[in-house]
Amino acid sequence: GEDVEQSLFLSVREGDSSVINCTYTDSSSTYLYWYKQEPGAGLQLLTYIFSNMDMKQDQRLTVLLNKKDKHLSLRIADTQTGDSAIYFCAERRAAGNKLTFGGGTRVLVKP
Amino acid sequence: DSGVTQTPKHLITATGQRVTLRCSPRSGDLSVYWYQQSLDQGLQFLIQYYNGEERAKGNILERFSAQQFPDLHSELNLSSLELGDSALYFCASSAPGTGFSEQYFGPGTRLTVT
Repeated sequence: GEDVEQSLFLSVREGDSSVINCTYTDSSSTYLYWYKQEPGAGLQLLTYIFSNMDMKQDQRLTVLLNKKDKHLSLRIADTQTGDSAIYFCAERRAAGNKLTFGGGTRVLVKP
Repeated sequence: DSGVTQTPKHLITATGQRVTLRCSPRSGDLSVYWYQQSLDQGLQFLIQYYNGEERAKGNILERFSAQQFPDLHSELNLSSLELGDSALYFCASSAPGTGFSEQYFGPGTRLTVT
């Protein structure tokens, strides 16, 4: 998805916090999502945020949305080895229900 | 487990052939989406069906077609296959009760064209 950008790789130590960043271009985006993909598996919906919100917290996950800068981040507290995966951000625009995905950020958690 | 099922899990076929991928949405979900994940194109939306009717089209090739049946399962048909069609094909479903805000993905079908 050329309209949704993510960094390619993030390395983090077990127990630390991870922050994965995403930028998007369409100001009409209504929902923004974070999905997790483990090797050989499908996409797991982690969390999502409606565009009129700034923050959403769900257990170890915190999503921050800066609409002015079109910037979305996912913070994972107390990162565990099981959090090693590829994380995709996606946007859903006002017109239609399709999701536009970023290229994914590979997160490697080191013990 | 998202509740979305896809068959087969793996498919290996030759160029020029035709294959059918099958998806069963979560119980109660009326909308089905197909996505393609490839190394060069990333995750791309192909097509959406809602209660049997085509709702939206994305980057779907003319060689590809889909349909959603009265029991709400969906099939994606890929014909005249080329090497570049090798990819992971995902189906997702969503429910009107959430304003279609939540899309749940199946485990995917990995297609290898040789």
